[in-house]
Amino acid sequence: DTAVSQTPKYLVTQMGNDKSIKCEQNLGHDTMYWYKQDSKKFLKIMFSYNNKELIINETVPNRFSPKSPDKAHLNLHINSLELGDSAVYFCASSHPRDKETQYFGPGTRLLVL
Amino acid sequence: DAKTTQPPSMDCAEGRAANLPCNHSTISGNEYVYWYRQIHSQGPQYIIHGLKNNETNEMASLIITEDRKSSTLILPHATLRDTAVYYCIPQGPLAGNQFYFGTGTSLTVIP
Repeated sequence: DTAVSQTPKYLVTQMGNDKSIKCEQNLGHDTMYWYKQDSKKFLKIMFSYNNKELIINETVPNRFSPKSPDKAHLNLHINSLELGDSAVYFCASSHPRDKETQYFGPGTRLLVL
Repeated sequence: DAKTTQPPSMDCAEGRAANLPCNHSTISGNEYVYWYRQIHSQGPQYIIHGLKNNETNEMASLIITEDRKSSTLILPHATLRDTAVYYCIPQGPLAGNQFYFGTGTSLTVIP
C-alpha cells in the first residue's frame, strides 16, 4: 500500500539526454510536489502543482517541466541533462487543506555522466 | 522565510529521550512549526507540528516556548530506527508552496 511511489529508483544517463521520472500517489491528494536534494543534502522545492495551479521555483531551469496526466500523477521531465542535475529527486503530495503535511516518495537517484 | 538554527549533529543512547532543539526567532505569528525527519536513503517523513501549545502524538512530543522563538522535539524512548536527519520548518498558510527544508540535525542513536 505505497502511498507515494516513484519510478525509477535509480537512473544513470549521459549528458544531453532527455529523461522522465514518474510519480504516483494513491492518497487522493490534490497537490503534488517535486523536490531536489543535492549532494549536501539540502532539500529544495522545485514545483508544486494541483489541477488549477502550477507554482515554479524561479531558480529551476526551464529544462525541467512537470507533467500531470491526472490528479494522481505528476511526472518530471528533464531535457538536455547536465552534470549538475545529478541529485535525488523526491515527489510528495498533500491534502489541499493541509499543504504543510506532505507525504514523500522514496526518491529517484539520478546520476548524469 | 523564517530562518531556523539547529545543531548539525547529536547522539543519543538507545532507550533514552532524544531532545532536538530548534531556534526560529523570526517566526511569524501565523506560522506553525513542523518537524520532519529523513532516514538514510528514504524520503522525508512527517513527525509533528504545532502553533503555540505543546503537542504529542505516537511518534514524538513538541515543546514550543511561550515566545515561540524556539521549540524542542522529544523522542521519548529513542530506538536505533530513529537515527535520521531531523528538520524543523516554520511554515504558515500564506507561505504558498515555499516549503523549504534546511540542513537539519543528524541524530545518531547509539546502542
